Amino acid sequence: GAGVSQTPSNKVTEKGKYVELRCDPISGHTALYWYRQSLGQGPEFLIYFQGTGAADDSGLPNDRFFAVRPEGSVSTLKIQRTERGDSAVYLCASSLVPDRNYEQYFGPGTRLTVT
Amino acid sequence: DAKTTQPPSMDCAEGRAANLPCNHSTISGNEYVYWYRQIHSQGPQYIIHGLKNNETNEMASLIITEDRKSSTLILPHATLRDTAVYYCIVRVGGYGGSQGNLIFGKGTKLSVKP
Repeated sequence: GAGVSQTPSNKVTEKGKYVELRCDPISGHTALYWYRQSLGQGPEFLIYFQGTGAADDSGLPNDRFFAVRPEGSVSTLKIQRTERGDSAVYLCASSLVPDRNYEQYFGPGTRLTVT
Repeated sequence: DAKTTQPPSMDCAEGRAANLPCNHSTISGNEYVYWYRQIHSQGPQYIIHGLKNNETNEMASLIITEDRKSSTLILPHATLRDTAVYYCIVRVGGYGGSQGNLIFGKGTKLSVKP
């Protein structure tokens, strides 16, 4: 079946611009996670959704970052006033339930470059 | 969640077993050991997890020491496609948890050579 998909695969934007990154989780997965991965580092947790609500947004670095999941499936990560330090690969993952024993399925990521 | 320590890199000959170590000396009794790997330009992929008993699946085996302070992921017959960064993650397990985010370290970069 279809895995987690993310669009776009690459995004280049100028400093100060607004960007939206989209994640399509596996159908039926109630939990959705966003991570950010800088070069040479492991993925870093940003936010997690259970259904439509953000159950934990403690990883969002500041208020320029926001994410939504209005119908409990597709999610959008929004970044306002982008900075060069936001350049990274943004990964989305989903799992059947938000449970520690259920594996997370990751998408291929969106590579964001802020010039 | 407990921290883990992994070697930054390892080499393995194609067809041989790859043994990737992980130290987690501060692991708690309710914490599981998880392994994920990330092939270049892809998202991480779940491999295996365990609590105290050794585990095996179609991808790998997980050996956890009796004191649970360290573990080894074994790829029995490494292929070139196993070249990836391997992450050892320790986290609270059990069903009914309310939070499932993974905390990744830098992992071990495994290079399988022909």
